[in-house]
Amino acid sequence: DTEVTQTPKHLVMGMTNKKSLKCEQHMGHRAMYWYKQKAKKPPELMFVYSYEKLSINESVPSRFSPECPNSSLLNLHLHALQPEDSALYLCASSQTSGGAYEQYFGPGTRLTVT
Amino acid sequence: QQPVQSPQAVILREGEDAVINCSSSKALYSVHWYRQKHGEAPVFLMILLKGGEQMRHEKISASFNEKKQQSSLYLTASQLSYSGTYFCGPSGDDYKLSFGAGTTVTVRA
Repeated sequence: DTEVTQTPKHLVMGMTNKKSLKCEQHMGHRAMYWYKQKAKKPPELMFVYSYEKLSINESVPSRFSPECPNSSLLNLHLHALQPEDSALYLCASSQTSGGAYEQYFGPGTRLTVT
Repeated sequence: QQPVQSPQAVILREGEDAVINCSSSKALYSVHWYRQKHGEAPVFLMILLKGGEQMRHEKISASFNEKKQQSSLYLTASQLSYSGTYFCGPSGDDYKLSFGAGTTVTVRA
């Protein structure tokens, strides 16, 4: 199984709401990633988890809070977002976080902040 | 810093060839290539490692010049299924992928 699943597929939230994005993989990968992708732009790295520990935070605002409850799950908690945070949020995983391994991407959550 | 990809877009007829270039300002450990079709997630094509061999995925191949910090993706005898946006993702010694702006490839019958 080489699938990364993400829920929900679409999410509309107000600026005062709290919501969470969920990502799951069952490939035994020990690295998981969150990316943000705006229309017609490349994915931008947000966070990297390696062996369930946060190893990279690309200076992401604190209104985005990642969590890795176990090696298969990755969450992104959202609070007090701004309209400019509307984007496609992609989760990915790889065998480890070294640059030698391919990343498998989930289908993404399309987030709209109103 | 974002790597530089060129061209920005290319239109091909089935069977034609194309080259996509990617250059980075930092010393590279590896270069990843991904293809993303409209409304879908990026899909891995290949990785080129420092000191490694040229890679191939179907009729798509790639090279990596470590000294010049450049990689090229070669689309040979293009097929309709090759349409999409291609991203290079160089990785330095921090192992973070920084994707290029992308090259949109349109293959027409």
